[in-house]
Amino acid sequence: QLQLQESGPGLVKPSETLSLTCTVSGDSIRTSSHFWAWIRQPPGKGLEWIGSINYGGSTYYRPSLRSRLTISVDTSKDQLSLEVRSVTAADTAVYYCARELWGVSDYWGQGTLVTVSS
Amino acid sequence: QSALTQPRSVSGSPGQSVTISCIGSSSDVGGYNYVSWYQQHPGKAPKLMIYDVNKWPSGVPDRFSGSKSGNTASLTISGLQAEDEADYYCCSYAGPFVVFGGGTKLTVL
Repeated sequence: QLQLQESGPGLVKPSETLSLTCTVSGDSIRTSSHFWAWIRQPPGKGLEWIGSINYGGSTYYRPSLRSRLTISVDTSKDQLSLEVRSVTAADTAVYYCARELWGVSDYWGQGTLVTVSS
Repeated sequence: QSALTQPRSVSGSPGQSVTISCIGSSSDVGGYNYVSWYQQHPGKAPKLMIYDVNKWPSGVPDRFSGSKSGNTASLTISGLQAEDEADYYCCSYAGPFVVFGGGTKLTVL
């Protein structure tokens, strides 16, 4: 059974960098034809697609966040990572990783809350 | 890349049917047959309920059905049950990006 697990700091200071990791088990990023996505949800608000990456490193970023984002993949560890630079309170959200194909996310992690606050 | 438009809330009584609309554009909903729907209960991760407009993932009851006409997609839930009360999000591929709707809160009266 495919499982995804997000991990990382729950609190980040304004202007600093948010860094999260998603560990995939039950499937291999290296052999999968899927993309692997990051999706976030601010408290009390809707879902927002951040970006996605495949095993070959092809990445797509939400245009409004592109300048502050880096998504990478470590196929040897079956992990994907997310960096959001220069964070503000608006980046406070539950961050999910998911397996994605043609925009369909069929498996999701449980999500991790990241709060931006001094 | 604008969010898809959903009603903020819908409601229905047990056993009834409800339909949630999802309005997009020719760049997303109207341009691809890659519309999906997610159910989210409070404090939980979203769950895929419908993909590719009208297909069911394993384990999802056929009380949930999807359709699309032009730039508008719809999710219909028939035979409403108490456990269907949740937030529902539509989603569309918008090559190469992905766009979600703002979400609809379903209340089972």
